[in-house]
Amino acid sequence: EAGVAQSPRYKIIEKRQSVAFWCNPISGHATLYWYQQILGQGPKLLIQFQNNGVVDDSQLPKDRFSAERLKGVDSTLKIQPAKLEDSAVYLCASSLRGGPNSPLHFGNGTRLTVT
Amino acid sequence: DQQVKQNSPSLSVQEGRISILNCDYTNSMFDYFLWYKKYPAEGPTFLISISSIKDKNEDGRFTVFLNKSAKHLSLHIVPSQPGDSAVYFCAASGAGSYQLTFGKGTKLSVIP
Repeated sequence: EAGVAQSPRYKIIEKRQSVAFWCNPISGHATLYWYQQILGQGPKLLIQFQNNGVVDDSQLPKDRFSAERLKGVDSTLKIQPAKLEDSAVYLCASSLRGGPNSPLHFGNGTRLTVT
Repeated sequence: DQQVKQNSPSLSVQEGRISILNCDYTNSMFDYFLWYKKYPAEGPTFLISISSIKDKNEDGRFTVFLNKSAKHLSLHIVPSQPGDSAVYFCAASGAGSYQLTFGKGTKLSVIP
């Protein structure tokens, strides 16, 4: 099966600019996640979708981050305006169901550098 | 406050020997634990998991042990192979939430 697709792979922007990331999950996977991984840290959940509804966005900085999942398939994550501390790898993941017995399948991530 | 801790940032092991990666957690409500492996420039891939109702789960060369009283789990790789060189993340979920909390990772280097 095709894996989780993410684009772009790399992005460099200046602070206060905006940026968007795109994710296409594995076909048939109902649950989609966006994680932020800062260098030297483990991935941190930003938002979880079940189909096209938000399940958990408690750690999403809503003043600057937004995400949507169109028609329960593709998803975009946007940052506006970006700050230096947003420099990280943004990982998209999907799972068949949202439960613990349904492991996450991660994409290769988008490495964002904010200068 | 780190709820999942991997206190060893790195580990070097000779090929053919056992690799033991450790993970501690503080939240007693965690009831499901997973290990992910990550190669450079790739996303993490699922390796093995264990439910809190078990104390051991085995899959080929990989075995995860869970000690609930000590809030400790470990991943054993036997025998270690150079292709096992990667960063290993411990993750946990529970307390009615399926959100995964990850540790900072341990970089394993298997020396040929």
